[in-house]
Amino acid sequence: GQSLEQPSEVTAVEGAIVQINCTYQTSGFYGLSWYQQHDGGAPTFLSYNALDGLEETGRFSSFLSRSDSYGYLLLQELQMKDSASYFCAVRDITNAGKSTFGDGTTLTVKP
Amino acid sequence: DAGVIQSPRHEVTEMGQEVTLRCKPISGHDYLFWYRQTMMRGLELLIYFNNNVPIDDSGMPEDRFSAKMPNASFSTLKIQPSEPRDSAVYFCASSSTGTGSGYTFGSGTRLTVV
Repeated sequence: GQSLEQPSEVTAVEGAIVQINCTYQTSGFYGLSWYQQHDGGAPTFLSYNALDGLEETGRFSSFLSRSDSYGYLLLQELQMKDSASYFCAVRDITNAGKSTFGDGTTLTVKP
Repeated sequence: DAGVIQSPRHEVTEMGQEVTLRCKPISGHDYLFWYRQTMMRGLELLIYFNNNVPIDDSGMPEDRFSAKMPNASFSTLKIQPSEPRDSAVYFCASSSTGTGSGYTFGSGTRLTVV
């Protein structure tokens, strides 16, 4: 099975950089994904890491280290609109359609 | 594409009534997922389909829950009879076969059973 751990809450100020960590235990997975969900909204796909290393998409970057069973989402130049919940997810290698989501990290950006 | 379309957006029903949630996935996506989200349990996968075939329904909580996908453009999740503990936001999501492709979620159905 799969299990993922994320911090429940993170707070940062506008313009700062914040890192949201995700550690996982899995029997095998294709890659690590990140999703953003604003309050009252639906999760939206942010990024996917199939290989170790850093993937950059604008202000957001995501990192994966399979040897450490660890990944993170890095948000730079924080804006108020970045206040949301962020979920990491792994796609099961034995059940390739199926992803397991972490419990989510609530990011609060303060002025 | 209009994205994943779910209906209704909100549903309030009395305990014991039948509830049907509907989903239209993105055209060309071959996977469809039904998730339930609550504060206590987070995002839970209920069931998913590949090419209209149910693959894993181990997350369906009880026999009161059933899901169908009669064709590539439509799926339903039915709860009969509904109970107050079924109150949650139900999301439908779709994706394509490539493992690097993320899920596209619908706007969700907020179900309240009173």
